[in-house]
Amino acid sequence: QSALTQPPSASGSPGQSVTISCTGTSSDVGDYNYVSWYQQHPGKAPKLMIYEVSKRPSGVPDRFSGSKSGNTASLTVSGLQAEDEADYYCSSYAGSNNYVVFGGGTKLTVL
Amino acid sequence: QVQLQQSGPGLVKPSQTLSLTCAISGDSVSSNSAAWNWIRQSPSRGLEWLGRTYYRSKWYYDYAVSVKSRITINPDTSKNQFSLQLNSVTPEDTAVYYCARETGGAATAIFDYWGQGTLVTVSS
Repeated sequence: QSALTQPPSASGSPGQSVTISCTGTSSDVGDYNYVSWYQQHPGKAPKLMIYEVSKRPSGVPDRFSGSKSGNTASLTVSGLQAEDEADYYCSSYAGSNNYVVFGGGTKLTVL
Repeated sequence: QVQLQQSGPGLVKPSQTLSLTCAISGDSVSSNSAAWNWIRQSPSRGLEWLGRTYYRSKWYYDYAVSVKSRITINPDTSKNQFSLQLNSVTPEDTAVYYCARETGGAATAIFDYWGQGTLVTVSS
């Protein structure tokens, strides 16, 4: 059982927007602005898409955006494209006892 | 461009020690702005952070509570790499193991570069 809770699946048609939630606690997501999101295609390593809640690494399309409210972080993918179909994981720094926690992952399907 | 290249056996017998190495290019294991992590992924446990090492005038080590009694992560400055040792493995330790660079410090959980992953199966 993962420390952060994500919906197991999400879907949308090309061009639409989809939002994936990531719910933690006041000891991780709610206490730190170190929430990251990763995209993982089958057989590949995770790829950093969002860090520090809403920042995008160089090369990540601005269709990907992140936000946080209280203990819940969200990833929004706008203008869905076929190549966005993948698993998405959130993570958070969780202090000096637990250090790093991950979500269970959300499978995004582009219809 | 940072690259992480993993090596190590894909099959380990129960009760033995799992050993993996992650060779770094494009950065230094002694970097004052990065930390070097091991993360694993399995269908039953999802992504699970195992531990890290980093250098800030001396070496530091942080380990997940779930494996703290069995894990060792060691830097090797002569080869610019770091390693994972997990003792007394059981089939529950079967997973894809990744090494990853944590950027922005050692308390950010921002993993910007990952190794290719190594599937380690624990079986007799």
